[in-house]
Amino acid sequence: QQQVKQSPQSLIVQKGGISIINCAYENTAFDYFPWYQQFPGKGPALLIAIRPDVSEKKEGRFTISFNKSAKQFSLHIMDSQPGDSATYFCAARPGYGGSQGNLIFGKGTKLSVKP
Amino acid sequence: EAGVTQFPSHSVIEKGQTVTLRCDPISGHDNLYWYRRVMGKEIKFLLHFVKESKQDESGMPNNRFLAERTGGTYSTLKVQPAELEDSGVYFCASSQGVTQYFGPGTRLLVL
Repeated sequence: QQQVKQSPQSLIVQKGGISIINCAYENTAFDYFPWYQQFPGKGPALLIAIRPDVSEKKEGRFTISFNKSAKQFSLHIMDSQPGDSATYFCAARPGYGGSQGNLIFGKGTKLSVKP
Repeated sequence: EAGVTQFPSHSVIEKGQTVTLRCDPISGHDNLYWYRRVMGKEIKFLLHFVKESKQDESGMPNNRFLAERTGGTYSTLKVQPAELEDSGVYFCASSQGVTQYFGPGTRLLVL
């Protein structure tokens, strides 16, 4: 059973366009929702993160939109650049019991930004 | 400041052999995590150390996997004996607060 569902699996966007990646979750006990960016041969790196008491967080060209009632959150990349081409993972953290540390990841979205 | 390092970067072994993966966390980070990504699937949690103690090992697939964290510093993950389905990328991450910093991973291929 996959606890965090991510879509689309792959995404092609023209330079300057908006990239949108969506995630949905079931467990209302999740208390932290990060997005990670991974380039080939590298490990995932934290891009931006949000807590469920906030509906939106923006850092530069990257924005997380969070809909608590729908149990969905999304990553928007404005003015997408070829250097943004990478795999993006959404994740969630259970904020209870002994599992307070581990992250539950979506399957990833491979983004290609065409020049 | 050095990031999380993992060794080896790649390992190709035959079914039934033993492999040991090593992770050096960021200095001072008490929390150390192991994750695995099988091709095409999500990154899955394996276990979590706080200093030298196992906080949560609910993600360990079976008893062929053994993780240790000597003196609360580096950690090793041993797979013995390796099976074909153990192939994947093994990531280590460390944290002191909520942000987890990932290493580059060890790509394990079991033939």
